[in-house]
Amino acid sequence: DQQVKQNSPSLSVQEGRISILNCDYTNSMFDYFLWYKKYPAEGPTFLISISSIKDKNEDGRFTVFLNKSAKHLSLHIVPSQPGDSAVYFCAASEYRGGNKLVFGAGTILRVKS
Amino acid sequence: DTAVSQTPKYLVTQMGNDKSIKCEQNLGHDTMYWYKQDSKKFLKIMFSYNNKELIINETVPNRFSPKSPDKAHLNLHINSLELGDSAVYFCASSQKIESYNEQFFGPGTRLTVL
Repeated sequence: DQQVKQNSPSLSVQEGRISILNCDYTNSMFDYFLWYKKYPAEGPTFLISISSIKDKNEDGRFTVFLNKSAKHLSLHIVPSQPGDSAVYFCAASEYRGGNKLVFGAGTILRVKS
Repeated sequence: DTAVSQTPKYLVTQMGNDKSIKCEQNLGHDTMYWYKQDSKKFLKIMFSYNNKELIINETVPNRFSPKSPDKAHLNLHINSLELGDSAVYFCASSQKIESYNEQFFGPGTRLTVL
């Protein structure tokens, strides 16, 4: 039973344009959401996070939006750069969950120059 | 000055063997984790340890036994390896056990059971 879903296995975007990666979740107890980026043969690296009390968090070119009523979050990358090409994982956790992260299956982002 | 390191990076072995994967973090974190990334690419938590104490054990077969000799190390020992154990195993650490603590991941160990 997938509690975190990333329905787009891959996304291709032109350099300089916006990349939008989507994530849906089913567990209403999740209150913290994260995006991790992963290059081949490396471990995931933390990108950006958002608490359930917010609906937007921005860090440079990266913005995460949270729609709690729809149980949906998205990651916007503007402008996209070739170095952004990687697998992006959405993850979620519950406050009393012992920092247990539940991951989606990932979306492969390809930024074409 | 790698933050979270794992050895070995690749491990190829026969069914029925026993193997260990080692993990070390030099971040001074209290909490360490093991995740498994299966063939469908899902990352799933297996265990977490906080100050050498087992916190999370996610219905993992008894053949998997984590061992934390100290806060900086969390090793994973696997007995009687099976084909289905083939996966990439990631170690991670966070400063504290509470939610909102960013997890730092190691580079992964690709285990192939023949």
